[in-house]
Amino acid sequence: EVQLVESGGGLVRPGGSLRLSCAASGFTFTPYWMHWVRQAPGKGLVWVSRINNDGSSTKYADSVWGRFTISRDNAMHTVYLQMDNLRPEDTAVYYCARAADWSWDYFDFWGQGILVTVSS
Amino acid sequence: DIQMTQSPSALSASVGDRVTITCRASQSISTWLAWYQQKPGNAPKVLIYKASNLQSGVPSRFSGSGSGTEFTLTISSLQPDDFATYFCQQYNSFPLTFGGGTKLEIK
Repeated sequence: EVQLVESGGGLVRPGGSLRLSCAASGFTFTPYWMHWVRQAPGKGLVWVSRINNDGSSTKYADSVWGRFTISRDNAMHTVYLQMDNLRPEDTAVYYCARAADWSWDYFDFWGQGILVTVSS
Repeated sequence: DIQMTQSPSALSASVGDRVTITCRASQSISTWLAWYQQKPGNAPKVLIYKASNLQSGVPSRFSGSGSGTEFTLTISSLQPDDFATYFCQQYNSFPLTFGGGTKLEIK
């Protein structure tokens, strides 16, 4: 069974940092491109970042560019999102999601989500 | 960025009804469109990919159509489990973008 389990969320003050982790299991992790998507409370879905299978290529939404860094450890079957200089508008549930295919960036499996709250 | 506009934003319907949700892209995305269903407190679940392909395990009452800039998701006969929020997503180009959602409620 494919599972994606996020961890590392919580309450942080504006300007602070958090690192989210997404542990993958139940499938061969290495070939898959991985994404982070977020959803502010009561709002819609917003794509955040993508990393390719070997970590050599990354993409970011403009709203997080220069503040967030996506990475992965294929040996540990884990993808990360380092979030620095956090802002109140970054408050959201963050989902880790698997791209269905290397060239098809829609999401066939999602984690359960982890809440990040940025507040003083 | 490609803007995705869904309509309606909310819809009331009854069990057994046929329902159609529309998603419009601000520029052509060919058929690079997916539809998701999300229930409160849960992650989204993919229903349709490449505009009209049914994801494995999804009931056949769900169907998708369209290309270019206009797309539809149709539920042929609403079941109690279908009351949820639906999102479209384009994956033609980065940044990936989602529609604002359609909340489907019981009439």
